[in-house]
Amino acid sequence: QVQLVQSGAEVKKPGASVKVSCKASGYTFTSYGISWVRQAPGQGLEWMGWISAYNGNTNYAQKLQGRVTMTTDTSTSTAYMELRSLRSDDTAVYYCAREREELRAFDIWGQGTMVTVSS
Amino acid sequence: DIVMTQSPDSLAVSLGERATINCKSSQSVLYSSNNKNYLAWYQQKPGQPPKLLIYWASTRESGVPDRFSGSGSGTDFTLTISSLQAEDVAVYYCQQYYSTPPLFTFGPGTKVDIK
Repeated sequence: QVQLVQSGAEVKKPGASVKVSCKASGYTFTSYGISWVRQAPGQGLEWMGWISAYNGNTNYAQKLQGRVTMTTDTSTSTAYMELRSLRSDDTAVYYCAREREELRAFDIWGQGTMVTVSS
Repeated sequence: DIVMTQSPDSLAVSLGERATINCKSSQSVLYSSNNKNYLAWYQQKPGQPPKLLIYWASTRESGVPDRFSGSGSGTDFTLTISSLQAEDVAVYYCQQYYSTPPLFTFGPGTKVDIK
């Protein structure tokens, strides 16, 4: 079946970096884009950015520009999101989500990866 | 910046009754080139990722019960649950797409409970 499976929970210190993976299966990876969305504890959804799995083009949310990098490895159908210079307010569940371009909506979501930033 | 607002923040509805959630965008999400409103609705239950319910403002995703419906155009949209079921208890988010620059924005969410 179509699914996105993310890497496990991470605990990081302030100033460190984290890299979360998202492995796709059940569909042609390069035919869709992947967005990353995060959700702080008890809060709403925040779109972080998007990457085309076809050509690697990216668009990042303005507030994260310079701290986030999204990449893909088409040989393993895996998307990655790296966030640098972590702060306590980066503590959140991070989701990858497949974008159906014609809908401009996200139809398949990963299970989420909890990233905790704490000294 | 594009701002999405939702109202109410929360609501409690009796089983079998109607629930209505409103979503407003600070800019129109209607694309004249194809007459599509890039407005989607998601349902999120505790401990789960969001689930796509509605896209193009009013088209149900495959497998979504027909008690869920979406309406609206331009800047004002509504999600209606015609007959609330126990399994509908969740937080509901609207989401819009803006093309220049390409970005997505979510509304703050509306929590739906049973009265």
